[in-house]
Amino acid sequence: GENVEQHPSTLSVQEGDSAVIKCTYSDSASNYFPWYKQELGKRPQLIIDIRSNVGEKKDQRIAVTLNKTAKHFSLHITETQPEDSAVYFCAASNDYKLSFGAGTTVTVRA
Amino acid sequence: DTAVSQTPKYLVTQMGNDKSIKCEQNLGHDTMYWYKQDSKKFLKIMFSYNNKELIINETVPNRFSPKSPDKAHLNLHINSLELGDSAVYFCASSQEGHSNTEAFFGQGTRLTVV
Repeated sequence: GENVEQHPSTLSVQEGDSAVIKCTYSDSASNYFPWYKQELGKRPQLIIDIRSNVGEKKDQRIAVTLNKTAKHFSLHITETQPEDSAVYFCAASNDYKLSFGAGTTVTVRA
Repeated sequence: DTAVSQTPKYLVTQMGNDKSIKCEQNLGHDTMYWYKQDSKKFLKIMFSYNNKELIINETVPNRFSPKSPDKAHLNLHINSLELGDSAVYFCASSQEGHSNTEAFFGQGTRLTVV
């Protein structure tokens, strides 16, 4: 089955700096790679996703890159703000299940 | 309107009891899921249903029995609850699997077995 590894497990950044989270996956059949943000006590919410036919996608301060050959993908958050503090999960999917990374707790220091 | 709603939000029960969690989505999606989030925040798929048919059962003990009476509902019944079942259970839905549209998650049910 799919195995997704995510690093780092915790990340502390100064407000205004960038944050980068990296994930690797094992199943070459995976074709969909979403990123979820989960605030304390809340549900996971999609912040950005990328499909295997695309190498990069950007949405305002958030960008995701995908390297299919190396089987890794990354989340980049620029100009971080205190409200970016949360747990971020990467995931890989081949249709009917999401295999999640272990999560990265991001803390933005004011 | 809440897209994916699950009830109850909190559930505290004794070992050995049987309990159910209900989930409903009003998005018109074909696929529904149950995910379990443990105390270390790790999210893992339990079941996937597409058009009321079971697609994935990810080695979940048979004490857990999902039921999908129609495409908009996927309920989870748990028999003989154990301490290790304590977790947050999330229902989710998407259109025709994960590869086509984003998955929307319910607010979660925090199950505590004492």
